[in-house]
Amino acid sequence: EAQVTQNPRYLITVTGKKLTVTCSQNMNHEYMSWYRQDPGLGLRQIYYSMNVEVTDKGDVPEGYKVSRKEKRNFPLILESPSPNQTSLYFCASSLRAGGYYEQYFGPGTRLTVT
Amino acid sequence: AQTVTQSQPEMSVQEAETVTLSCTYDTSESDYYLFWYKQPPSRQMILVIRQEAYKQQNATENRFSVNFQKAAKSFSLKISDSQLGDAAMYFCAYIRDKIIFGKGTRLHILP
Repeated sequence: EAQVTQNPRYLITVTGKKLTVTCSQNMNHEYMSWYRQDPGLGLRQIYYSMNVEVTDKGDVPEGYKVSRKEKRNFPLILESPSPNQTSLYFCASSLRAGGYYEQYFGPGTRLTVT
Repeated sequence: AQTVTQSQPEMSVQEAETVTLSCTYDTSESDYYLFWYKQPPSRQMILVIRQEAYKQQNATENRFSVNFQKAAKSFSLKISDSQLGDAAMYFCAYIRDKIIFGKGTRLHILP
């Protein structure tokens, strides 16, 4: 089954404790991205990757890191999480960048930083 | 910079009635894509409908249709014969080089 998977689905952590949210897709997609969703703000893009080893900042990259060492994986790293990073996070992928190709979203990761 | 505005944070509609969700956007580009996504309580993002800016014909998917007014930079979603399963958050999105989402409209369906 074609899908985007994220792990963990739920995470409660404390300020300053490094964490990684994994994202994996099995569709051989070139384009992958991370979003955060906050009430009243919609989805905002954190980072995106056009292909392996190519990543770029989205609209809200501060406090986050990403890597794209393999085509299928695009982990989101919070080196020192803070309470303002409490949010719902989505990973998405598409065959290539641009609206012609449908975005496939993962199920979301609910992160709480205390 | 591109922006997407959904001016209705919440809306309600009676079951079986028709409802229209509004979306306006700002861009200086002529070639782009517009999307409506549905997010039910499960939080899954579901593509509802897509419109290519160079196509004048409005997109339609079963009970869902759009009114795309390129000059006015307007992209509204019409849901006909509303069903209880349509209750969700709806997001409008603009895609060209970047993906810009609106803040969403929460749609309630009244039985």
